[in-house]
Amino acid sequence: AQSVTQPDIHITVSEGASLELRCNYSYGATPYLFWYVQSPGQGLQLLLKYFSGDTLVQGIKGFEAEFKRSQSSFNLRKPSVHWSDAAEYFCAVGYGQNFVFGPGTRLSVLP
Amino acid sequence: DTAVSQTPKYLVTQMGNDKSIKCEQNLGHDTMYWYKQDSKKFLKIMFSYNNKELIINETVPNRFSPKSPDKAHLNLHINSLELGDSAVYFCASSQRGRDSPLHFGNGTRLTVT
Repeated sequence: AQSVTQPDIHITVSEGASLELRCNYSYGATPYLFWYVQSPGQGLQLLLKYFSGDTLVQGIKGFEAEFKRSQSSFNLRKPSVHWSDAAEYFCAVGYGQNFVFGPGTRLSVLP
Repeated sequence: DTAVSQTPKYLVTQMGNDKSIKCEQNLGHDTMYWYKQDSKKFLKIMFSYNNKELIINETVPNRFSPKSPDKAHLNLHINSLELGDSAVYFCASSQRGRDSPLHFGNGTRLTVT
């Protein structure tokens, strides 16, 4: 069955520091992968997506993610975190017309 | 020009009541979804409609009944509300095809007392 894991429940970084959020998926075919961000009281906003081609994808707000088939991973990165990046981050895999989400990683940013 | 809009944003009600949540999308998408987000932020799909046809129906109590009058609308009706139904319910839409991401509404926070 398709599944997504995000090993880190909560991560705290200092403003200006780099960030990497981990995501691993389980899916038999070539996955369609997504990262979403949810600010408090808001819906989920798409940060970036991977369908095929270049394994390093760029997204909004300075985020990027790298697809590694050999590791079944799709980790999200940002070189310098801003206080406004504090939110919940969800990795998701799309198959058919269904989307399976990981449990989320809460990001806190220290001033 | 909101893409996916849900109403109401907050819903507080008592056990045993019946309530509805409405969702509309103006993106021209042909597929709409209801997701439930529990207190631990876990997102789980409940239903999906494609062109008014039910295509995903996860293990959800039959007290939950989705209705799609047209492909731009997907409403969720809940009968005999229970305490465990308290959650945030998200409507989302996409265009058929695996390369189309989900676009979410801002959610409806349902509190059952």
